[in-house]
Amino acid sequence: SQTIHQWPATLVQPVGSPLSLECTVEGTSNPNLYWYRQAAGRGLQLLFYSVGIGQISSEVPQNLSASRPQDRQFILSSKKLLLSDSGFYLCAWGRISGANVLTFGAGSRLTVL
Amino acid sequence: QKEVEQDPGPLSVPEGAIVSLNCTYSNSAFQYFMWYRQYSRKGPELLMYTYSSGNKEDGRFTAQVDKSSKYISLFIRDSQPSDSATYLCAMSAKEYGNKLVFGAGTILRVKS
Repeated sequence: SQTIHQWPATLVQPVGSPLSLECTVEGTSNPNLYWYRQAAGRGLQLLFYSVGIGQISSEVPQNLSASRPQDRQFILSSKKLLLSDSGFYLCAWGRISGANVLTFGAGSRLTVL
Repeated sequence: QKEVEQDPGPLSVPEGAIVSLNCTYSNSAFQYFMWYRQYSRKGPELLMYTYSSGNKEDGRFTAQVDKSSKYISLFIRDSQPSDSATYLCAMSAKEYGNKLVFGAGTILRVKS
């Protein structure tokens, strides 16, 4: 069966510091991978998605970037965090065919101080 | 106007009640409709998904899609305190690469 791992679960970072969140998927090959951010009362905002190694699509301009160095690894990064980067970050995988049902990781809660 | 509208709640019901959660949408191209449940500080988990109009039942949960009204519903029968969570609707269209568009979520509280 497929599983998705996301870490760290919680982190507190000062403004201006770098960020790296990692996501890995097991039990499937060539998944579509997604990074979402969830703000209170605002639902899930798609940040990046990837259909393959090195292929990244950005949905919104922001202070963040994503990379996919391996088939089942997806990384969310920032060189210098802003206060507005605080939030709950979710990685997900899915298939582009049919319903594209997404399976989410447990999430990473980022607080920027 | 948001593409997907969902009342944020909170919706408070007594244990055993029938719960109705709803979303409206504006884009008639949406074909797949999903409901996710999210417990506090956890990632969303898929409850059900349906294609086009109609009903789908899974245990105590029933999903309903009315494409003519651009309206979807999730019914929970015999609600339990363990159903207390945020419920997110989501939908996608093939012509937009099947990327999911989410509602903001409805907070449900089932009181024992």
